[in-house]
Amino acid sequence: ETGVTQSPTHLIKTRGQQVTLRCSSQSGHNTVSWYQQALGQGPQFIFQYYREEENGRGNFPPRFSGLQFPNYSSELNVNALELDDSALYLCASSLGLAPGNEQFFGPGTRLTVL
Amino acid sequence: AQSVTQLDSQVPVFEEAPVELRCNYSSSVSVYLFWYVQYPNQGLQLLLKYLSGSTLVKGINGFEAEFNKSQTSFHLRKPSVHISDTAEYFCAVSTTSGTYKYIFGTGTRLKVLA
Repeated sequence: ETGVTQSPTHLIKTRGQQVTLRCSSQSGHNTVSWYQQALGQGPQFIFQYYREEENGRGNFPPRFSGLQFPNYSSELNVNALELDDSALYLCASSLGLAPGNEQFFGPGTRLTVL
Repeated sequence: AQSVTQLDSQVPVFEEAPVELRCNYSSSVSVYLFWYVQYPNQGLQLLLKYLSGSTLVKGINGFEAEFNKSQTSFHLRKPSVHISDTAEYFCAVSTTSGTYKYIFGTGTRLKVLA
C-alpha cells in the first residue's frame, strides 16, 4: 500500500510568481486536506477536498486554490507569491468525512519565496 | 472556534526518564483529540487519538495520553524515553461534525539527552 506522496520536495520561487504543488493520496482515500506549516509553527488548515469538491476552507486568501482529480490526487496552487508564503506545505489524505478518521500525512513540500 | 495551546516549546529530558508534554484546548463544542509526531524532514505520524470512551488512551511507541474534560487537557506521557523519541510533537483537535479539519498547537520539541 503506497502512502501519501508529494512533489516536488523542495521549491524556490520569487515574489509574484505562481506555484503548483502536487499530492497523491493513499490508496482508496477520497479526502485530501492541505496544511501550511511555517517555521516553528504548527500546521494550519488551508482547505479540504472530498470527491473533487471543496469541503471547507481555512483563513487563507483566494490566491490559494486547489483541485482534486477523479483519482483523488490533488493540487495546491498559489498565485502572486509573497515572502510569508515560505513554509512546509503538507498534504493529508483520509477515507471519508468522519472527523475521527485518521489523516495520513505526506512528507511535505518546502517552498521558499525570495 | 477551537484553539490548542502547547505551553512548552521545548522539553529536554534524559534518556530513560519519564516525560509529560502538555496540551490544553478550548472549544465550545465537542472535539476529538490527537497527538502527532514529526521527525526531522518528515511528515506527521499519528501517535494516538481520543474519540470517546476511556479517557486513558494508549498509542504507538509506548506513549499514552489522558483526556480531562474538566481541565480541557490532553497531556501526552511516556514512562521512559529513548534517544529516538527526539522529535516535534503536535497536539490537535477536530470538531465532531461539520468541516473536518485539524487545529494544531504550535508544537513541543522533545530533546532526549544521553
